[in-house]
Amino acid sequence: ETGVTQTPRHLVMGMTNKKSLKCEQHLGHNAMYWYKQSAKKPLELMFVYSLEERVENNSVPSRFSPECPNSSHLFLHLHTLQPEDSALYLCASSQDTGKGGETQYFGPGTRLLVL
Amino acid sequence: DAKTTQPPSMDCAEGRAANLPCNHSTISGNEYVYWYRQIHSQGPQYIIHGLKNNETNEMASLIITEDRKSSTLILPHATLRDTAVYYCIVRLLNYKLSFGAGTTVTVRA
Repeated sequence: ETGVTQTPRHLVMGMTNKKSLKCEQHLGHNAMYWYKQSAKKPLELMFVYSLEERVENNSVPSRFSPECPNSSHLFLHLHTLQPEDSALYLCASSQDTGKGGETQYFGPGTRLLVL
Repeated sequence: DAKTTQPPSMDCAEGRAANLPCNHSTISGNEYVYWYRQIHSQGPQYIIHGLKNNETNEMASLIITEDRKSSTLILPHATLRDTAVYYCIVRLLNYKLSFGAGTTVTVRA
């Protein structure tokens, strides 16, 4: 138990569906991250929020839309996804000291399957 | 961030120490050495990190050579639950955490 929770843990959706992934951290951190892990590939950083502002967007397609309403919650809104978007989506948090994020703590992930 | 080189896999006997090597010959002076592990289909778990000095916590020890070009993660008494992919990452204190292929460690009874 890392103090970072993600829901749902598993999600199956069609290409025309709209769904949202939720992440909550109970560590008092001020930075949150979305990563994607496809089969047999390294983790890819998608988005970074620090103090509720987006500070990084690594060329992620617009069908992925993040939202950070406060420092404890992070959402990833999904719409019109493609089968190749099937992956493990991981949320992480850290305490940003102003020099950049420190140690990142990960949630258990959401396993997404797009049909 | 500097690149790291790790063996693709290693086996370890249950109850014995597991020594996981990592080469990072291009590391710069302000880059940290981080270790994470990922048990199948779970999120990565932070293990330990260090800059110059050796570090120890309840999970592992991190030994960094004096020239900082390599390091070793030591799991003192490996258990079956330590079977995972172990990632050695060299990074600045910025947002970027780049995971490579890691070392697949299999602990055998």
